[in-house]
Amino acid sequence: ILNVEQSPQSLHVQEGDSTNFTCSFPSSNFYALHWYRWETAKSPEALFVMTLNGDEKKKGRISATLNTKEGYSYLYIKGSQPEDSATYLCAFLRAAGNKLTFGGGTRVLVKP
Amino acid sequence: DVKVTQSSRYLVKRTGEKVFLECVQDMDHENMFWYRQDPGLGLRLIYFSYDVKMKEKGDIPEGYSVSREKKERFSLILESASTNQTSMYLCASSFSTGVETQYFGPGTRLLVL
Repeated sequence: ILNVEQSPQSLHVQEGDSTNFTCSFPSSNFYALHWYRWETAKSPEALFVMTLNGDEKKKGRISATLNTKEGYSYLYIKGSQPEDSATYLCAFLRAAGNKLTFGGGTRVLVKP
Repeated sequence: DVKVTQSSRYLVKRTGEKVFLECVQDMDHENMFWYRQDPGLGLRLIYFSYDVKMKEKGDIPEGYSVSREKKERFSLILESASTNQTSMYLCASSFSTGVETQYFGPGTRLLVL
């Protein structure tokens, strides 16, 4: 079983502050990294799919970077708002693989 | 919009009962997945299917089986429910494997007493 880890497990952020957290994955046989956001009582929703080393993706105030050589991805939230409160999941796909391996998630709580 | 629906949001069953969890997607996706989510463990893949009547074991298939008789429907079966199968179950679908986004249902929270 592949090792995909997210840290921290949870974090509290003051409204308006920026924050970031990490997804670590195997640096060999990389094919793609997915990020999902999972709000309470809703379905997980896709944020980004990243495939190239050095890739940067942005969606509104949320952005992500990818380093496949060292096996990590950062997710950034700029100017956090209460609606950003959710669990953020990353998922790794290895080359020639056909299934995602998810990390444990980072639970973000934005306090007004 | 892609829609993935699951038959129940909450379910309470007794140990030893046979449990069926149903999932339906409306986007003609080839691939369908069943995950379970437990605190601190993220989503763990139970089974997936890449075509009708085709299935493949995920990381934790023990105690589960699946059925895919029609492209839009993927069922998860707990042959004899046990208390350690109390969990949140999520179904997902995607057009293909790999870089394609997976679309998730709302989840079924199953409690086995």
